[in-house]
Amino acid sequence: DAGVTQSPTHLIKTRGQQVTLRCSPKSGHDTVSWYQQALGQGPQFIFQYYEEEERQRGNFPDRFSGHQFPNYSSELNVNALLLGDSALYLCASSLVTNSYEQYFGPGTRLTVT
Amino acid sequence: GEDVEQSLFLSVREGDSSVINCTYTDSSSTYLYWYKQEPGAGLQLLTYIFSNMDMKQDQRLTVLLNKKDKHLSLRIADTQTGDSAIYFCAEGYNKLIFGAGTRLAVHP
Repeated sequence: DAGVTQSPTHLIKTRGQQVTLRCSPKSGHDTVSWYQQALGQGPQFIFQYYEEEERQRGNFPDRFSGHQFPNYSSELNVNALLLGDSALYLCASSLVTNSYEQYFGPGTRLTVT
Repeated sequence: GEDVEQSLFLSVREGDSSVINCTYTDSSSTYLYWYKQEPGAGLQLLTYIFSNMDMKQDQRLTVLLNKKDKHLSLRIADTQTGDSAIYFCAEGYNKLIFGAGTRLAVHP
């Protein structure tokens, strides 16, 4: 049973560029949430997708956008990258009926220079 | 507002019990969680408890909830070197609010 997978593992981008991160949920899960974890801090909720729509959003600017595909996989897009966007981006999947059980992927480490 | 606070560091001897503490602020019914993060890895869900419960036990892990004081604790019995990691307390349902994490160091 495959767990949550994310790609790429690491990414280096330049300020002002755009980036797309990808996530495949755990088998059987239909809901995907994205979190940003800055160094030395706990994860912060970005948004959650269900049925290809953004269901809930945290306190992040519109530069952060996402998408969910019919196979439940998801993308996180960040435009106009800032140095402060450097972080570990974590994807978590769950069942909409059990959103309290969120299982996390290994994350994508984004470095903005 | 929503806030979760944890102590930053705990050091224990191998074989002893570890107790990691957390306070939260959400006054509504919610779930409370403990996650474990090893270096360079994602978060592993250890256990969770609904806010109307007092205690939950799962093998070496015991979660205690004091609803009046909004205090949550995680006790790890017979702590091993493999338990060395950062432990995050979190609250919420769809949107999880995390603390800054407690680094647990286990020494011989």
